[in-house]
Amino acid sequence: GENVEQHPSTLSVQEGDSAVIKCTYSDSASNYFPWYKQELGKRPQLIIDIRSNVGEKKDQRIAVTLNKTAKHFSLHITETQPEDSAVYFCAAPWGGMDTGRRALTFGSGTRLQVQP
Amino acid sequence: DGGITQSPKYLFRKEGQNVTLSCEQNLNHDAMYWYRQDPGQGLRLIYYSQIVNDFQKGDIAEGYSVSREKKESFPLTVTSAQKNPTAFYLCASVFDGDTEAFFGQGTRLTVV
Repeated sequence: GENVEQHPSTLSVQEGDSAVIKCTYSDSASNYFPWYKQELGKRPQLIIDIRSNVGEKKDQRIAVTLNKTAKHFSLHITETQPEDSAVYFCAAPWGGMDTGRRALTFGSGTRLQVQP
Repeated sequence: DGGITQSPKYLFRKEGQNVTLSCEQNLNHDAMYWYRQDPGQGLRLIYYSQIVNDFQKGDIAEGYSVSREKKESFPLTVTSAQKNPTAFYLCASVFDGDTEAFFGQGTRLTVV
């Protein structure tokens, strides 16, 4: 299946600093790259996604960048706050060109801790 | 209230027993997925279904089985062949192609 690698596995930052999480993928047919946030004991929820026709997308303090040539994409969180503390997962679709046969494959997750 | 519902929230299985986890959605989504999450790890794909009466194996299908007889339902059976079933199981659904996946609240399965 699709190989999605995510780094770092843990990240600790001071409140107000920026946090960056990076992912690489192997399937060149992938064209959709979402990021999910999972708080302790809760379900993952989508926070931002990007498609291959753009290189960057922003939503307030969150941004995602994509480099299709290098097959990597990154999540950027600026002005971090304690409520940003959670596990973040990147994902990419696996299964070839047919979107009707694809499924999301997730990275191993990054535990972000924002210290007050 | 639309959404995706998993039940039960907690499930205990005895050695050698089969158990079935329920996943129901009323979002009119075609695609449904099952993932397994182990402590400190990511989500690994067990099975997925893009349409009724059709499903495909994911990365870790051994010891699991599914059915998709109705669009709204995608139950997962953890069989006795799954040697290490203790984990958090998440069901998800997607409307179409590469769009947002909505997750259920999960079922925590423990072998006793």
